[in-house]
Amino acid sequence: NAGVMQNPRHLVRRRGQEARLRCSPMKGHSHVYWYRQLPEEGLKFMVYLQKENIIDESGMPKERFSAEFPKEGPSILRIQQVVRGDSAAYFCASSPSREADTQYFGPGTRLTVL
Amino acid sequence: GENVEQHPSTLSVQEGDSAVIKCTYSDSASNYFPWYKQELGKGPQLIIDIRSNVGEKKDQRIAVTLNKTAKHFSLHITETQPEDSAVYFCAASAPNFGNEKLTFGTGTRLTIIP
Repeated sequence: NAGVMQNPRHLVRRRGQEARLRCSPMKGHSHVYWYRQLPEEGLKFMVYLQKENIIDESGMPKERFSAEFPKEGPSILRIQQVVRGDSAAYFCASSPSREADTQYFGPGTRLTVL
Repeated sequence: GENVEQHPSTLSVQEGDSAVIKCTYSDSASNYFPWYKQELGKGPQLIIDIRSNVGEKKDQRIAVTLNKTAKHFSLHITETQPEDSAVYFCAASAPNFGNEKLTFGTGTRLTIIP
């Protein structure tokens, strides 16, 4: 059973470009969480999604950031018009159901904005 | 919202000795407390977790204790080995209609001295 997969693992963008980060949850998992980790810091919650629904986006900046988890395919975290402050590691985690707390993390996407 | 504090930020331990990392949380409704190990360039890996109806849990060399009254929980690693060197994060979550987002501590960088 493959774990949580994220791609790309490393992404370099220039200021003003768009970044698209993908997350495929573990097989059988329908809940996805996105977290951001700044250098030398802990992980901060961004958004929680279930298939075709955003449940909680309270940790995601209101502008430039969006997330989706379509019926088919991976979850996408999209950052428009990136700025240097967006440089961070972005992790997604998945869990099997709303009753289960355990979250399994992917390897992350390290975004660098030049 | 929940706030999790973690101490110490760095810890050096002689190989074979024990390591203890402590966390406190603020939300008395929190009922799930996982610990993650993160190696350089990788995603967080769940190593042990505890729920609020249990005071202690052990898995081989790793144990976690929870004091709900004082709102603190600790990770204990015995007979430390070089491969235990990593950054360790505690986290907490409170039930919220199925949204089990995690609030993380700021991490402890553990170094095992051979």
